[in-house]
Amino acid sequence: GAVVSQHPSRVICKSGTSVKIECRSLDFQATTMFWYRQFPKQSLMLMATSNEGSKATYEQGVEKDKFLINHASLTLSTLTVTSAHPEDSSFYICSARGFSGVADTQYFGPGTRLTVL
Amino acid sequence: GDSVTQMEGPVTLSEEAFLTINCTYTATGYPSLFWYVQYPGEGLQLLLKATKADDKGSNKGFEATYRKETTSFHLEKGSVQVSDSAVYFCALSDNQGGKLIFGQGTELSVKP
Repeated sequence: GAVVSQHPSRVICKSGTSVKIECRSLDFQATTMFWYRQFPKQSLMLMATSNEGSKATYEQGVEKDKFLINHASLTLSTLTVTSAHPEDSSFYICSARGFSGVADTQYFGPGTRLTVL
Repeated sequence: GDSVTQMEGPVTLSEEAFLTINCTYTATGYPSLFWYVQYPGEGLQLLLKATKADDKGSNKGFEATYRKETTSFHLEKGSVQVSDSAVYFCALSDNQGGKLIFGQGTELSVKP
């Protein structure tokens, strides 16, 4: 089946630094990738939709200058958390849109646990 | 806007018990409906899906039927196992752009 990877799986950083998270579709091309944030024991909140070669579309309330998204190729999207603060600590999950047979399906990465000290 | 509501957890069952996790949705169009499962420490995996009314999705003994008249997509399994312990998310897609809207998740714990 389709595989999506994320790197790193865990990152701890100091307040004020920037952190980059990579999301890769390993065995298929994904024109669209999505970035979610998940708080403990809560649901996934869509942050932005990333289309290859164009600017990301951010959901209401998500700061685009804070969470920079780049989708430079059909297999890679990156999320950069700029000037991270403790309140940015969370579980960040990406998904890639692909086709399973004839069906449009999202495949999820394993997530990245960000802790900002 | 579109939304998904799931029954609150945690749900604790004994092995071989019958499972139902309720899910209802609100949508203006004709969404596709999904159940995703998240095992401890892992990412989300698609469990099953249904794309139109009266469709039944099934996988690994789990089933859910797309009921347009009651706007529901309840997840069921006849006999749960300890390995089914996970968090289950109901979700819908408006089929335009692929955005998924998730319910709040229901944690299932199965005891031996």
